[in-house]
Amino acid sequence: EPEVTQTPSHQVTQMGQEVILRCVPISNHLYFYWYRQILGQKVEFLVSFYNNEISEKSEIFDDQFSVERPDGSNFTLKIRSTKLEDSAMYFCASRGQGKSGFSNQPQHFGDGTRLSIL
Amino acid sequence: GENVEQHPSTLSVQEGDSAVIKCTYSDSASNYFPWYKQELGKGPQLIIDIRSNVGEKKDQRIAVTLNKTAKHFSLHITETQPEDSAVYFCAASKRSPGTASKLTFGTGTRLQVTL
Repeated sequence: EPEVTQTPSHQVTQMGQEVILRCVPISNHLYFYWYRQILGQKVEFLVSFYNNEISEKSEIFDDQFSVERPDGSNFTLKIRSTKLEDSAMYFCASRGQGKSGFSNQPQHFGDGTRLSIL
Repeated sequence: GENVEQHPSTLSVQEGDSAVIKCTYSDSASNYFPWYKQELGKGPQLIIDIRSNVGEKKDQRIAVTLNKTAKHFSLHITETQPEDSAVYFCAASKRSPGTASKLTFGTGTRLQVTL
């Protein structure tokens, strides 16, 4: 069964540094997402991406964050000037488009990247 | 925006018993309600979902019910097994054609199935 893959599984970075989290969505999917989960808390939406642009972003997704789909297969999340509170699990998800264009497909999640800011 | 509440936060059942997890949502426009299972060190895995035009859906030992009027939905697991032990998340979404439709998650329920 196709799956969403994320790399690296664990990233340790000094505060103030930039990080790039990488995701390879399922190949025929059209909608892409990033979520984060602070330890012991619920999964929170960060951003969605469709048709090569951001569809929606949360309050968390400020100017520090950016997303890109550079080559038609990878989907990346960049965090500039990381802060201690950015430490979390970051999940990428993707979703296909159902029949007749209706959005009846579920989101599939990767296993996440654990980001630790020191 | 949408707010999803989930109860209980922890649930311990004996193997073979049933488990029920309940969620409420705030936005009456939400029309899609998936349930995800998260095992340690893994991402959320979809186990079942329901759309607002359906009141109940069943898949083997797992069932979900939806009450649109009361804005709540529940996950029912029958004949629980040790491998059902995990954290379960409910979520809600407003689906419409051509939109990315984010998921709003509940706070999670840690289910422990004891022998």
